[in-house]
Amino acid sequence: GESVGLHLPTLSVQEGDNSIINCAYSNSASDYFIWYKQESGKGPQFIIDIRSNMDKRQGQRVTVLLNKTVKHLSLQIAATQPGDSAVYFCAENIRMRDMRFGAGTRLTVKP
Amino acid sequence: DAGVIQSPRHEVTEMGQEVTLRCKPISGHNSLFWYRQTMMRGLELLIYFNNNVPIDDSGMPEDRFSAKMPNASFSTLKIQPSEPRDSAVYFCASSLGDPEQFFGPGTRLTVL
Repeated sequence: GESVGLHLPTLSVQEGDNSIINCAYSNSASDYFIWYKQESGKGPQFIIDIRSNMDKRQGQRVTVLLNKTVKHLSLQIAATQPGDSAVYFCAENIRMRDMRFGAGTRLTVKP
Repeated sequence: DAGVIQSPRHEVTEMGQEVTLRCKPISGHNSLFWYRQTMMRGLELLIYFNNNVPIDDSGMPEDRFSAKMPNASFSTLKIQPSEPRDSAVYFCASSLGDPEQFFGPGTRLTVL
């Protein structure tokens, strides 16, 4: 049969606009979440994390929101820049062995 | 700090050949992870070590894959014999007790 690859969700934004990338996680027992950024030809790079006892965490230009009720995580990037263009992964963690990565979202920033 | 170092960066080999991928974790980190990334399956954890001891290898696809960590500063992932479906980017990552992992640049493997 025909093989089907991952179809990454894509988000295209104008430079200077805010970006919101969403992620649904699978395990209600997950207690720690990380957002990674992966640029073309490079390994994933840590952006920001949040523990399950928090709803919101802010970093430099980035904010992560966690809604445990619906098992949803979002990454907000303020004033998106061309250098933000990459694939963004959320990862959920129960114990070290259970780090699971989502499929990723491709963010493209238009100048 | 140089970060996680992987070699080679690119490897092209023929089906049936043995492939060895190498990783040097960040100095002082006590956990090391091997991942495989493909378009079909995304990023998959293959195996991880804690203090040089393999903790979970349930992600290793089959017996053709093996990983070792003889000391705290070096690990290998070996595929023998290699097959075209093993073509992927293989990442090594290390951490110091935290869930946050630091990834290397990856090895792009092509098996013809």
